[in-house]
Amino acid sequence: AQKITQTQPGMFVQEKEAVTLDCTYDTSDPSYGLFWYKQPSSGEMIFLIYQGSYDQQNATEGRYSLNFQKARKSANLVISASQLGDSAMYFCAILLIQGAQKLVFGQGTRLTINP
Amino acid sequence: DGGITQSPKYLFRKEGQNVTLSCEQNLNHDAMYWYRQDPGQGLRLIYYSQIVNDFQKGDIAEGYSVSREKKESFPLTVTSAQKNPTAFYLCASSIVPRGQPQHFGDGTRLSIL
Repeated sequence: AQKITQTQPGMFVQEKEAVTLDCTYDTSDPSYGLFWYKQPSSGEMIFLIYQGSYDQQNATEGRYSLNFQKARKSANLVISASQLGDSAMYFCAILLIQGAQKLVFGQGTRLTINP
Repeated sequence: DGGITQSPKYLFRKEGQNVTLSCEQNLNHDAMYWYRQDPGQGLRLIYYSQIVNDFQKGDIAEGYSVSREKKESFPLTVTSAQKNPTAFYLCASSIVPRGQPQHFGDGTRLSIL
């Protein structure tokens, strides 16, 4: 079974600094996708970025980029020039491409941006 | 605007009572999902459905039931058999083929009276 590990329960960063949120995964399936979601205190889950296991380049979406190291099974989220509005819970999730579309989530990292 | 609507936002259940959480989507997505989130935790899959009139159990289906009679709707019933129902419940949908992001509703917070 696939598994996601997020080792940082909480992180504190100064505004405008870059921040890296760690995510490692475990799966024996060769085809999978990795997702990052943001959950503000209001509770909704906001999709940020996606990386497919066969994608050659690291995914980028605006200030978000994904540092994908397939051999190490890591998919760290990098947020550049952090803003106060980035304060939230961040979840990494894995989806197997074959079989049922089941997302498996990590425990999350609570990011706090200080002014 | 297209999206996923969950209702109610807050729900209270008495002991021994069944309650139903609503989830409606107008994104024309084939697949729909229900997740449970406990405080400080990630999401766990309760049930999912990839097509109308068909659904599968997720990792924590005991004490829950669902139906998928319409493409747009995927209600979740929390039965009296679910002994610890207090949690935040999130509904999601996605298109098929695979590898597409799931889009989430705003959630329902269920508490026991």
